[in-house]
Amino acid sequence: DTAVSQTPKYLVTQMGNDKSIKCEQNLGHDTMYWYKQDSKKFLKIMFSYNNKELIINETVPNRFSPKSPDKAHLNLHINSLELGDSAVYFCASSQDPAGNEQYFGPGTRLTVT
Amino acid sequence: AQSVTQPDIHITVSEGASLELRCNYSYGATPYLFWYVQSPGQGLQLLLKYFSGDTLVQGIKGFEAEFKRSQSSFNLRKPSVHWSDAAEYFCAVGARPGGSYIPTFGRGTSLIVHP
Repeated sequence: DTAVSQTPKYLVTQMGNDKSIKCEQNLGHDTMYWYKQDSKKFLKIMFSYNNKELIINETVPNRFSPKSPDKAHLNLHINSLELGDSAVYFCASSQDPAGNEQYFGPGTRLTVT
Repeated sequence: AQSVTQPDIHITVSEGASLELRCNYSYGATPYLFWYVQSPGQGLQLLLKYFSGDTLVQGIKGFEAEFKRSQSSFNLRKPSVHWSDAAEYFCAVGARPGGSYIPTFGRGTSLIVHP
């Protein structure tokens, strides 16, 4: 059983398009996260939700909008995609909101052309 | 604000040699500390964690790490590296209850293993 899953694994799209990435965890965790990993492997937190409530929003452009329909799901919608949005996006979850002991999904590689 | 520094971008070792990856942190109190490993094309996997107690913690895949409060360090070690250990390693700081909620990762150290 996959603990944290993301779809799609790869996403290639053109500038200006709108796309979504989905994430689901079956660990029963209360907190979920979105991270962006750039080409130099730097991992930067974007958002965090605890029990469907947004608790971290790290100065991400408002073109990025997370949505948590329930505790087990955290989706990421991106409007008007830009070249600089190309990266690997990771979803993660943890039992507590302090970010301890996180479980990561396999990542979604987004390429904007 | 908390921060994590991994001073080595790349580390190259021969298979069978010992390994030490460095991590220094900045935090207002004793933090929760973690090491994660990322194999190529994969997500991050937790290797080990330090919350309290014994400052030498054991993890999966034969890794261990030592918390040194005086040096604000949490270095990762392995006595004998295998070729399959080649990966990106991330040190991370969590927060104690009531502390900052922003999990912080170092920039990662890429481990290259020569046969």
